[in-house]
Amino acid sequence: AQSVTQLDSQVPVFEEAPVELRCNYSSSVSVYLFWYVQYPNQGLQLLLKYLSGSTLVKGINGFEAEFNKSQTSFHLRKPSVHISDTAEYFCAVRGQAGTALIFGKGTTLSVSS
Amino acid sequence: GAGVSQSPSNKVTEKGKDVELRCDPISGHTALYWYRQRLGQGLEFLIYFQGNSAPDKSGLPSDRFSAERTGESVSTLTIQRTQQEDSAVYLCASSLYAGELFFGEGSRLTVL
Repeated sequence: AQSVTQLDSQVPVFEEAPVELRCNYSSSVSVYLFWYVQYPNQGLQLLLKYLSGSTLVKGINGFEAEFNKSQTSFHLRKPSVHISDTAEYFCAVRGQAGTALIFGKGTTLSVSS
Repeated sequence: GAGVSQSPSNKVTEKGKDVELRCDPISGHTALYWYRQRLGQGLEFLIYFQGNSAPDKSGLPSDRFSAERTGESVSTLTIQRTQQEDSAVYLCASSLYAGELFFGEGSRLTVL
C-alpha cells in the first residue's frame, strides 16, 4: 500500500524567505503526486500535481515542486513566502489508476513578519 | 451542481446514536472518496468508490462504519453507535477517473 511521509510537521519562516516542505512516498511503480493546501477555516484546494512529463511542476500562488523518482520525493518550494501563505499543506500520492489517494499528515507553514 | 456538496454541515449527537452523512459529488465524476480529519490532524482515508463499487475500503476504522453509493452519484457514510472518538470533520471528494480531487466543505460531527 502507498504511504506518504511529510518530514516536517511545522515550518516557521519569516516573510519573503524561501521555503521547502518535504514529502517522500513509498512506491516502486508509477505514481501520481499532489500537493493540497488548507487555509485556516477553509476547505482543501489543489496547489499542483504531477501526472507525467516534466519533473518540475508549477502550481498556483508561486509554488513549485520537483518529482525525484530515484529519491521518491516530491518537495514543495516557494522562493519568497507571504503572510497569506500561512496554512496547512498536504502531500498526497496515488499509485496506479483505480487506487485511492493517500495523504500525508500535513505540514503547518507559519509565516511571520 | 457546481461543486461537491455535503450535508449536514454540522451534526451534534449523543454517544450511541447512529448518524448518516451525505455527499453529492460533481456531476460526471466517477470516483468518490471519504476522509476523516480530526482536530489538528491530517486526512485519514476511509473508503474509495469507483462508480458504485468500493475497490478500497481499507480505511474504515471499525464495523460501525459503512458507506454506500448509488447511481454513480450520491454517497452516504453511516456511523453506528457513535463514540466520542468519532468526533471529526468528515470530508468527501470526487474526481474523474485518475484526476484531481475536488473536496466538499465537510460535515463536522460532534459526539457528546
